[in-house]
Amino acid sequence: AQTVTQSQPEMSVQEAETVTLSCTYDTSESDYYLFWYKQPPSRQMILVIRQEAYKQQNATENRFSVNFQKAAKSFSLKISDSQLGDAAMYFCAYLSNFGNEKLTFGTGTRLTIIP
Amino acid sequence: DVKVTQSSRYLVKRTGEKVFLECVQDMDHENMFWYRQDPGLGLRLIYFSYDVKMKEKGDIPEGYSVSREKKERFSLILESASTNQTSMYLCASRNTGAGGELFFGEGSRLTVL
Repeated sequence: AQTVTQSQPEMSVQEAETVTLSCTYDTSESDYYLFWYKQPPSRQMILVIRQEAYKQQNATENRFSVNFQKAAKSFSLKISDSQLGDAAMYFCAYLSNFGNEKLTFGTGTRLTIIP
Repeated sequence: DVKVTQSSRYLVKRTGEKVFLECVQDMDHENMFWYRQDPGLGLRLIYFSYDVKMKEKGDIPEGYSVSREKKERFSLILESASTNQTSMYLCASRNTGAGGELFFGEGSRLTVL
């Protein structure tokens, strides 16, 4: 079974600075997807960014980018120019591409933005 | 706007009561999921359904059952609520297919006294 580990329960960053959230995973599969989801306080979870394992290029969505290291099974999220609205719980998730529709989530990182 | 709607944001129930949590999606998704979210434990899958009347156990199905009589609706049932089922419950849906995004409801916070 796949596992996803987020070793930073809490992180904080000054507004306008850059922060990196860590995620590692364990799998024997070669084809899969990785995701970062954001859960703002009292609001629903939304997708931040998605990475396909067979693509070497790191995914980027505006101020959000990932550092995908397949051999190391590492998938970190970098948030540039942090904004107050980035304050949230961030979850890393894994999805197999072999017929299993279930996502496996990490335990989450609570990000605080310091004004 | 695509939507996953959970019937109750907050519920308070007593030990032993039967609890129904309802979830409706308007995106015609095949797959629907119930997760439980607890601090320090992240999201854990309770049950999921890949088609009407079809269901599969997730990682923590004990004490729960589900029903999917229509494609758009997926219900989570606690037959006899216990205090250790106090939690946030999240419903989600997605299409079958590679890498499809998971869409979440706002969550139902259940307190069992």
